[in-house]
Amino acid sequence: QQQVKQSPQSLIVQKGGISIINCAYENTAFDYFPWYQQFPGKGPALLIAIRPDVSEKKEGRFTISFNKSAKQFSLHIMDSQPGDSATYFCAASSQGGSEKLVFGKGMKLTVNP
Amino acid sequence: NAGVMQNPRHLVRRRGQEARLRCSPMKGHSHVYWYRQLPEEGLKFMVYLQKENIIDESGMPKERFSAEFPKEGPSILRIQQVVRGDSAAYFCASSFFKGTATVGELFFGEGSRLTVL
Repeated sequence: QQQVKQSPQSLIVQKGGISIINCAYENTAFDYFPWYQQFPGKGPALLIAIRPDVSEKKEGRFTISFNKSAKQFSLHIMDSQPGDSATYFCAASSQGGSEKLVFGKGMKLTVNP
Repeated sequence: NAGVMQNPRHLVRRRGQEARLRCSPMKGHSHVYWYRQLPEEGLKFMVYLQKENIIDESGMPKERFSAEFPKEGPSILRIQQVVRGDSAAYFCASSFFKGTATVGELFFGEGSRLTVL
């Protein structure tokens, strides 16, 4: 049973476009929701994270939207650039931090120049 | 200012051999985590350790896998009698401890890619 479901599995956008990645979770005890970016051959790196007490968090071109009642959260990448081409993972944990993250399966983003 | 260091980056083993993966956390970090990533899959939690202590090993297979984080030296993930299904990328991450709660951000290494022939 997959606790964090991510969609779509892949996405191709043009430079300057908006990339949107969605995640849904089942465990209502989750209280920390980070997004990680991973380039080929590298380890994941934290992009942005949110806790359930806010509905939106923005850092530069990256925005997380959080809907607690629907148990969904999404990542929006504005003005997508070719350098954003990577695999993006949503994750969740129920211990307030990153002790035991549950990851989605990832979404491969390709931004065409 | 080195990040999380993992070695080897690539490891090839034959079925039945042992694999040892090492991880040195970032300076000042006292907690280490191991995750496994299968092709086209997300990362799966395996184990969480602090110096000389296993905090949570609920994601570790019950047999053949073990992990340690000694007082001196790197954390080691050990896989005995490897099988083809163990082929994966193994990522180590570290964080520092703040008060009674672990700080949110994990810093990941670049992974060790194990191939079992």
